[in-house]
Amino acid sequence: EAQLVESGGDLVQPGGSLRLSCTVSGFMLRDHWMTWVRQAPGKGLEWVANIKEDGSEKYYVDFVKGRFTISRDNAKNSLYLQMNSLRVEDTAVYFCARTPPALDMWGQGTLVTVSS
Amino acid sequence: QSALTQPASVSGSLGQSITLSCTGTSSDIGGYNYVSWYQQHPGKAPKLLTYDVSHRPSGVSHRFSGSRSGNTASLTISGLQAEDEADYYCSSYVSHKTFHVVFGGGTKLTV
Repeated sequence: EAQLVESGGDLVQPGGSLRLSCTVSGFMLRDHWMTWVRQAPGKGLEWVANIKEDGSEKYYVDFVKGRFTISRDNAKNSLYLQMNSLRVEDTAVYFCARTPPALDMWGQGTLVTVSS
Repeated sequence: QSALTQPASVSGSLGQSITLSCTGTSSDIGGYNYVSWYQQHPGKAPKLLTYDVSHRPSGVSHRFSGSRSGNTASLTISGLQAEDEADYYCSSYVSHKTFHVVFGGGTKLTV
């Protein structure tokens, strides 16, 4: 059974950094674009970034450009999101999703809380 | 990129059919055949219901159907069941090259 599992969410102070991971099983990561989507508490879904199958193309929503970096290690079947200069408004559950191009499979999410 | 527009809430009765709307522009919904709908129960991950405007993934009930007219997409749920009570999000690509997605604000369906 195909599965995506996020990890790395935590409580961090404003200005801090965090690295999220998404480990997949049941399918080959190298065959798919992958996407990070976030959801602030009580709010809707928000597209954050995506990355091409081989990592050669990466795209970000404007408000994370220069602060977040998406990457992948296909040999480890893992997707990452390095988040720097975190702001209070980055507080959210972060989901990774397989992108074939609809987001057809999602992880359960990992909570990032940015607070002093 | 502005979010797509969805009504905040709708309600329906058991067995009824209901249609959720999602309004965008010619730069998103009206410009690409990549409109999707997702269902999300509280505390859970979103689940893909329809993609490419009107296609349904295997395993999704035939009670869910997607459509589009101009810049407005719709999700029709027939034979409402109690478990259909959830949040529903539409989405559209805004670039077929980058797969950049924009979501609607979500509709809370009460059954």
